[in-house]
Amino acid sequence: QQQVKQSPQSLIVQKGGIPIINCAYENTAFDYFPWYQQFPGKGPALLIAIRPDVSEKKEGRFTISFNKSAKQFSLHIMDSQPGDSATYFCAASKRGGADGLTFGKGTHLIIQP
Amino acid sequence: SAVISQKPSRDICQRGTSLTIQCQVDSQVTMMFWYRQQPGQSLTLIATANQGSEATYESGFVIDKFPISRPNLTFSTLTVSNMSPEDSSIYLCSVVEQGGTEAFFGQGTRLTVV
Repeated sequence: QQQVKQSPQSLIVQKGGIPIINCAYENTAFDYFPWYQQFPGKGPALLIAIRPDVSEKKEGRFTISFNKSAKQFSLHIMDSQPGDSATYFCAASKRGGADGLTFGKGTHLIIQP
Repeated sequence: SAVISQKPSRDICQRGTSLTIQCQVDSQVTMMFWYRQQPGQSLTLIATANQGSEATYESGFVIDKFPISRPNLTFSTLTVSNMSPEDSSIYLCSVVEQGGTEAFFGQGTRLTVV
C-alpha cells in the first residue's frame, strides 16, 4: 500500500515557469510533510517542510500548499531555473518528524533554458 | 545542519558476501535511520537505529539480512548480509538532530552486487 502518492512522474517546464508537484497521503497520523531535492549521485537535500496547522509556507522560491481536509499538499517553484532540474520527493512522517519518512515515488523535473 | 559521512561511497561485491556501511555524524543526534534507494526509484525506510538496543525494522526488512548497530549518538553501521544482485542499491543514512525535526541525509553508499 502506497501511503504517499506523488504526481506527475516527470515534468518539463520552461525557464521562469512555475512547476507544480502534487502529493496525497492516506494516513491521518502523518503530521510532518517535507520536500526533498535530489541531484544525480547525491543524497536528498531538505527544501522545505510543513505541518498540518498551516495552509501555506514559503521559503525563497519554494512554496508548499497544504489541504488537510483533502489530505493533499503540493510544491510550487517560482521563477524556475535550469539549476532546479532535479528529482523532487515529497514525504510524510508521524510524531513531528521523529519517525522515519514515507516517501512519494518522485518527480523528475527538467527546466528548459 | 549535521554533517554526515558515509563510508564506503561505493563498492562492488561478490554475491554471498557481506558489506558493512558506516555512518558518522559530526554532532550528537536524536534519531538515526537507514534507507534504501533502488536505481531510479524512491527511498524506502529499512530501520531506525536505536542507541544501545536493537534496531526497529520496517515491514519487509529483517535483522538477519540487515544487522544494524548504533553504539553511541554519532555513529551507526548497516550490514548487508549474504548479498544477491537484488541488493544492488544506494543505501542512505539519515539523522534528526537533537531538538530538531528535520531529517538530513548522507551522500549514500552505491552498492553493486555481481
